[in-house]
Amino acid sequence: DAKTTQPPSMDCAEGRAANLPCNHSTISGNEYVYWYRQIHSQGPQYIIHGLKNNETNEMASLIITEDRKSSTLILPHATLRDTAVYYCIVRVLGNTPLVFGKGTRLSVIA
Amino acid sequence: GAGVSQTPSNKVTEKGKYVELRCDPISGHTALYWYRQSLGQGPEFLIYFQGTGAADDSGLPNDRFFAVRPEGSVSTLKIQRTERGDSAVYLCASSLTGLAGETQYFGPGTRLLVL
Repeated sequence: DAKTTQPPSMDCAEGRAANLPCNHSTISGNEYVYWYRQIHSQGPQYIIHGLKNNETNEMASLIITEDRKSSTLILPHATLRDTAVYYCIVRVLGNTPLVFGKGTRLSVIA
Repeated sequence: GAGVSQTPSNKVTEKGKYVELRCDPISGHTALYWYRQSLGQGPEFLIYFQGTGAADDSGLPNDRFFAVRPEGSVSTLKIQRTERGDSAVYLCASSLTGLAGETQYFGPGTRLLVL
């Protein structure tokens, strides 16, 4: 079972920041937080991951709380192409598969 | 370069038939994963290969499901005596070595419909 909890859906206006929350209150010290997204009819796409420090790349920023029990994925300027299901995943070190929950369906509205 | 490719993109079969689904990982990637995604759900892990060997097949639902990767590159997922409940999107992913923290790159999936 997924160890994360996400809201089932969110809306965001085009051009605004999209902030997607994730709760992972039972995360272990050696587990990373990963974010993937899945655009309709495509395979999941990696976005970003982190252990305890905030991370930023060309796609998004990841903010992890100090106690690591929750995190937020930030898309700074959402576009219509960002409409997708976003999955927050915690993953232990090692050769482990990804355990997906149901994710958050983000709809970016013009 | 080329990403993960999967064939066929769509497969319709009848209950009881045998099907094979193919995955071509990114060249040089030694780790390969199969997932299954039912409508409205996130992908569920089936099996993981490191090279030619199945390192973890704990996600295979029953013995009708089998996967091979004989040369450590292309993989085939085989489903015997298909059932309507097998209808789903079958996703393949690969990563460079399978080590912790590595990105898994997914293919577009094969949509299987069992009538």
